[in-house]
Amino acid sequence: DAGITQSPRHKVTETGTPVTLRCHQTENHRYMYWYRQDPGHGLRLIHYSYGVKDTDKGEVSDGYSVSRSKTEDFLLTLESATSSQTSVYFCATNENTGELFFGEGSRLTVL
Amino acid sequence: AQRVTQPEKLLSVFKGAPVELKCNYSYSGSPELFWYVQYSRQRLQLLLRHISRESIKGFTADLNKGETSFHLKKPFAQEEDSAMYYCAGVDNYGQNFVFGPGTRLSVLP
Repeated sequence: DAGITQSPRHKVTETGTPVTLRCHQTENHRYMYWYRQDPGHGLRLIHYSYGVKDTDKGEVSDGYSVSRSKTEDFLLTLESATSSQTSVYFCATNENTGELFFGEGSRLTVL
Repeated sequence: AQRVTQPEKLLSVFKGAPVELKCNYSYSGSPELFWYVQYSRQRLQLLLRHISRESIKGFTADLNKGETSFHLKKPFAQEEDSAMYYCAGVDNYGQNFVFGPGTRLSVLP
């Protein structure tokens, strides 16, 4: 366990509202990731970060933005949530060892 | 494009039976392959990786470059093996991890 916490763990919101999910790590890992988990699709990469203020898009980045102002925090923002963004979101970290360490997940429901 | 496929969404076996979870990959170069597992109400965790060539919880996986496969095997399944299993690969640069859709293993008593 790499000391990765996600907040909130559960959130219900309405279409069109902004949502921010937070990932916090205590291991000083350089790389951080946001994935979404959906049945039949597995885990799909949304965005990742390779350092403070250094981020890049993943496979399913449309409708999402991220920020990393500190090594320990990686924020995922849905500017205007849609029902298609209802999912379980996982944060992960990596320190170039080849092993990803995951948070417990954040379940988001967009009504 | 890099891709990892797992053809089975659900695999059910009886306790004590052999189990094989299939994984195929499409990568250029020499990727590194992994199996991650998610037990009920737990976070995803690494089960094994091909470069370590070790057996974890009785599971093994061999990288077959000719068939571009990395199937996960266990000779005698246990009920506690019931979980969601994801095959994943990472490219030569080591940071873009791609996951397959996952296979849910159910081991019946």
